[in-house]
Amino acid sequence: AQSVTQLGSHVSVSEGALVLLRCNYSSSVPPYLFWYVQYPNQGLQLLLKYTSAATLVKGINGFEAEFKKSETSFHLTKPSAHMSDAAEYFCAVSDRLTGGGNKLTFGTGTQLKVEL
Amino acid sequence: EPEVTQTPSHQVTQMGQEVILRCVPISNHLYFYWYRQILGQKVEFLVSFYNNEISEKSEIFDDQFSVERPDGSNFTLKIRSTKLEDSAMYFCASSEEASPGWTQYFGPGTRLLVL
Repeated sequence: AQSVTQLGSHVSVSEGALVLLRCNYSSSVPPYLFWYVQYPNQGLQLLLKYTSAATLVKGINGFEAEFKKSETSFHLTKPSAHMSDAAEYFCAVSDRLTGGGNKLTFGTGTQLKVEL
Repeated sequence: EPEVTQTPSHQVTQMGQEVILRCVPISNHLYFYWYRQILGQKVEFLVSFYNNEISEKSEIFDDQFSVERPDGSNFTLKIRSTKLEDSAMYFCASSEEASPGWTQYFGPGTRLLVL
C-alpha cells in the first residue's frame, strides 16, 4: 500500500525566508503526487501536482515542488515566505496501479508558521 | 470559481445517534469522495462513489456508514449509530474523472463531535 511521510509536523520560518516542507513516498512505481494547503476553517486546496511530465512543478502562490525518483521525494518549496502562507500543508499520493481508482493517501501534514 | 460545499460546519451528537453529513459537489463533477481526519491524525480515505454506486471503500467504511446521492446536487454520508471514535473532521471531495492523477476538489469539512 502507498504511504507518504512528511517530516516535521511544525515548521517555523521568518517572513522572506525560504520555505521547505518535506514529503517522501514509498512506492517502487512513482505515484501521482499532490500538495494541498488548508487555511483555517477552509477546505483542502490544491497547490500543485506531479503527474509525470516535468519533474519541477510550479503551483499557485509561488510554491513549487521537485520530484526526485532517486530520493522518493516531492519536497515543497517557496523562495520567500509571506505571512499569508501560514497554514497546514498536506502531501498526498494517488497510486497509478490501482486499476483506475483515485483514492488519495495523505501524509500527517505540516503546520507552517511564518514569523515577522 | 466553483467549489464544494458542506453542511453543517459543526455537529454535536450523542453516541448511538444517526447523523447525516451533506455535501454539494462541483456541478459538472461525476466522482465523489469522503475522507475524514481524526484530530491529530492523517486525512484518511473513506469511500468513493460514481454513478450511484460505491467504487471503492476503505476498511473504516463499515456497515455503520452509507453514502447516497439523493438528488442531482447533494451527496450524503450517513453514520447509522455514532461512536465516540467517529469524532473527526469529515471532508467531501469531487473530481471530473476517477483516473489516478485527476484533481480532487475538497469542501471545508464538517467537524463531528460524538459525546
